[in-house]
Amino acid sequence: EDQVTQSPEALRLQEGESSSLNCSYTVSGLRGLFWYRQDPGKGPEFLFTLYSAGEEKEKERLKATLTKKESFLHITAPKPEDSATYLCAVQAASGGYNKLIFGAGTRLAVHP
Amino acid sequence: DVKVTQSSRYLVKRTGEKVFLECVQDMDHENMFWYRQDPGLGLRLIYFSYDVKMKEKGDIPEGYSVSREKKERFSLILESASTNQTSMYLCASSLQLYEQYFGPGTRLTVT
Repeated sequence: EDQVTQSPEALRLQEGESSSLNCSYTVSGLRGLFWYRQDPGKGPEFLFTLYSAGEEKEKERLKATLTKKESFLHITAPKPEDSATYLCAVQAASGGYNKLIFGAGTRLAVHP
Repeated sequence: DVKVTQSSRYLVKRTGEKVFLECVQDMDHENMFWYRQDPGLGLRLIYFSYDVKMKEKGDIPEGYSVSREKKERFSLILESASTNQTSMYLCASSLQLYEQYFGPGTRLTVT
């Protein structure tokens, strides 16, 4: 069964304290892996797409990487405005019509 | 920029009422999706549509129906609202095999 697991469930950082969020996946052929940011009470905001192992994408303080079994979202020198829930999703080769499988998310809190 | 809009941010309905949630996207995307999001359960797919008048059941279609008469518009219908349908409803759209873009969400409360 296709599955996506994110860890940790919650993470508290001090401003400037770099860390990484993990997304492990078990799918029958990966078409793409997606990272989203979600603020409370709002819809998820698209951040990155990764398609193949070894690929990396960067945006401001965020960097996403992909291996054959997992993806990491690295946050460098975070600021309080980076506080949000970060969602990982995969599109499996067995799924049709761009169906995504979402992880439960990591709630990130960055304190000044 | 892709824009996905939803008809209401907050909605309060009574048990047994018929509820319509509307979603509009402005990027000519083929695919549109309805999810619900609940604490501890994450995002769950209700229905999706890959073309006008075409629809497929997602993981939790019971108690819901959908309508897609125009490419840009995808409606979610709760035939007879129940309290267990209180949730955040999220609409999304995408091109084939690409990332999904989400709307702001509708927080539905059924009393």
